[in-house]
Amino acid sequence: EAQVTQNPRYLITVTGKKLTVTCSQNMNHEYMSWYRQDPGLGLRQIYYSMNVEVTDKGDVPEGYKVSRKEKRNFPLILESPSPNQTSLYFCASSPEYTPGQGFYGYTFGSGTRLTVV
Amino acid sequence: GNSVTQMEGPVTLSEEAFLTINCTYTATGYPSLFWYVQYPGEGLQLLLKATKADDKGSNKGFEATYRKETTSFHLEKGSVQVSDSAVYFCALSGTSYSSASKIIFGSGTRLSIRP
Repeated sequence: EAQVTQNPRYLITVTGKKLTVTCSQNMNHEYMSWYRQDPGLGLRQIYYSMNVEVTDKGDVPEGYKVSRKEKRNFPLILESPSPNQTSLYFCASSPEYTPGQGFYGYTFGSGTRLTVV
Repeated sequence: GNSVTQMEGPVTLSEEAFLTINCTYTATGYPSLFWYVQYPGEGLQLLLKATKADDKGSNKGFEATYRKETTSFHLEKGSVQVSDSAVYFCALSGTSYSSASKIIFGSGTRLSIRP
């Protein structure tokens, strides 16, 4: 089944304890991205990657790191989590942009609900 | 910069009613436009898309037409069902190769359908 898999689904951690949320896609997609979803703020892009060589900041990158060593994986790293990073996180992937066809659209994972206390 | 504005919810309708959820956008160039749906406890699913002016995206009875002159992409369905209850997000992409994957989402509209 074609999908984006995130782990874990739920995570409670303490302030300052480094954590990694994994993301993997099995569709051979070039593009991958991380979003966070917060009540009243909607979905905001954290980082995106166009391929294994190009990764760039989204709208809210502070406090996050990403890594794209392989095409299929795009982990989100919180080096020193803080309570304001409590949120619902989504990983997404998409085929490559085609000028004549426009952006294909993201396929999203099921989400990771992170609580930082 | 680019932005998306969609009608605030919640929207509550009776089953078989006609649905319209308004979405307008601000962007330079010709972005691709999307509607996503999020069911409780799940991730977002792509519902439909349109890539150029006057394109109509459609899926599962939902439709939306890319209106360049009014910068709108309103979502419509002729007869809603209880199973359509969800949160709906309008979104747009950047307009160049380097910005295409910077998808910007509207704030979402919660739809509830009464039996």
